[in-house]
Amino acid sequence: DTAVSQTPKYLVTQMGNDKSIKCEQNLGHDTMYWYKQDSKKFLKIMFSYNNKELIINETVPNRFSPKSPDKAHLNLHINSLELGDSAVYFCASSQFPGTGHTEAFFGQGTRLTVV
Amino acid sequence: QQQVKQSPQSLIVQKGGISIINCAYENTAFDYFPWYQQFPGKGPALLIAIRPDVSEKKEGRFTISFNKSAKQFSLHIMDSQPGDSATYFCAASKAYNTDKLIFGTGTRLQVFP
Repeated sequence: DTAVSQTPKYLVTQMGNDKSIKCEQNLGHDTMYWYKQDSKKFLKIMFSYNNKELIINETVPNRFSPKSPDKAHLNLHINSLELGDSAVYFCASSQFPGTGHTEAFFGQGTRLTVV
Repeated sequence: QQQVKQSPQSLIVQKGGISIINCAYENTAFDYFPWYQQFPGKGPALLIAIRPDVSEKKEGRFTISFNKSAKQFSLHIMDSQPGDSATYFCAASKAYNTDKLIFGTGTRLQVFP
């Protein structure tokens, strides 16, 4: 059973289009994230949700809108796609840490290519 | 501003050798330092992690060394194997936080037979 699953794995689209990436976790975690990995493999957090509530928004353009229908799902919608949005997007989840820290589990990624 | 600096960018090691990857951080509020391993086409996966109350943590062939005063930590892979060939990321996060991980820039490790 896949713990954190993302769809699609590959996404090729034209500039200006709107697209969505879906993520689901079956680990019972409270917190979910979106990370972006650029062409140089640099990983940077975009958003974090805890129990459907947005808790981190790392100065991402408002063309990116996350939506969490329930705590097991966190989708990412991107409007008006630009060439610079081409990257690998990773969904991740973890148990809400409180005063501790727990492992973040990552999905296999969605490679977005904007042409 | 790169809060976690990682070196080297790439590393080539002979099978059986020791691989060493170094990281340095700036923010003294960081109190959790994990290492993630990423194979091509896969997401990062936790390899080993350390808290700043210990100076070393070992799990099998993987060891983290932590120097709080120097704000540095490193990953040592003993008896490196071709199957260890991957990209390794150090990371850091703060206490009382939502586990937002600040990643280093990654090290591509290649282990040759």
